[in-house]
Amino acid sequence: SQTIHQWPATLVQPVGSPLSLECTVEGTSNPNLYWYRQAAGRGLQLLFYSVGIGQISSEVPQNLSASRPQDRQFILSSKKLLLSDSGFYLCAWSQQINSPLHFGNGTRLTVT
Amino acid sequence: QKEVEQNSGPLSVPEGAIASLNCTYSDRVSQSFFWYRQYSGKSPELIMSIYSNGDKEDGRFTAQLNKASQYVSLLIRDSQPSDSATYLCAALFFGNEKLTFGTGTRLTIIP
Repeated sequence: SQTIHQWPATLVQPVGSPLSLECTVEGTSNPNLYWYRQAAGRGLQLLFYSVGIGQISSEVPQNLSASRPQDRQFILSSKKLLLSDSGFYLCAWSQQINSPLHFGNGTRLTVT
Repeated sequence: QKEVEQNSGPLSVPEGAIASLNCTYSDRVSQSFFWYRQYSGKSPELIMSIYSNGDKEDGRFTAQLNKASQYVSLLIRDSQPSDSATYLCAALFFGNEKLTFGTGTRLTIIP
């Protein structure tokens, strides 16, 4: 069966520090991969998605970036965090376009 | 812009009653619809998928899709306190590789 791993679970970082969140999927090949952010009490905001290695689509302009160095690995990064980057970051995967998303457990990021 | 809309609630339902959650979407040719449950502080969990008009039942959950009226609903029978959560509706619009989510409806089951 397929599983998705996301880490760390919680993270507290100072303003201006870098960020690297990692997500890996097991038990499937060539998944679609997604990064979402959910601010407190808000809906899900799609940040990036990828349909293959090295293929990244950005949904919103901001100081975050994403990379997919391997088929089942998706990384969210920032060179300098802002206070507004605080939130609940969720990685998700789907097998194909018409199939649902499956979410990882999320990373709660607090920028201080 | 293609959208999915939900009443944010909160929706309070007595234990044992039927909880009815509704969602409307803007694109008449949307293909696939999903309901997710999200407990406070946790990630969303898929509970139902529906692709064609009509009802789809899975245990205490029934999803209903009406493409002509552009709405999808989720019924929870015999509501339990453990059903208290935020329920997210999502639609896959034709030609997109990504789901569009509603903002969610917060459901509280009152013992």
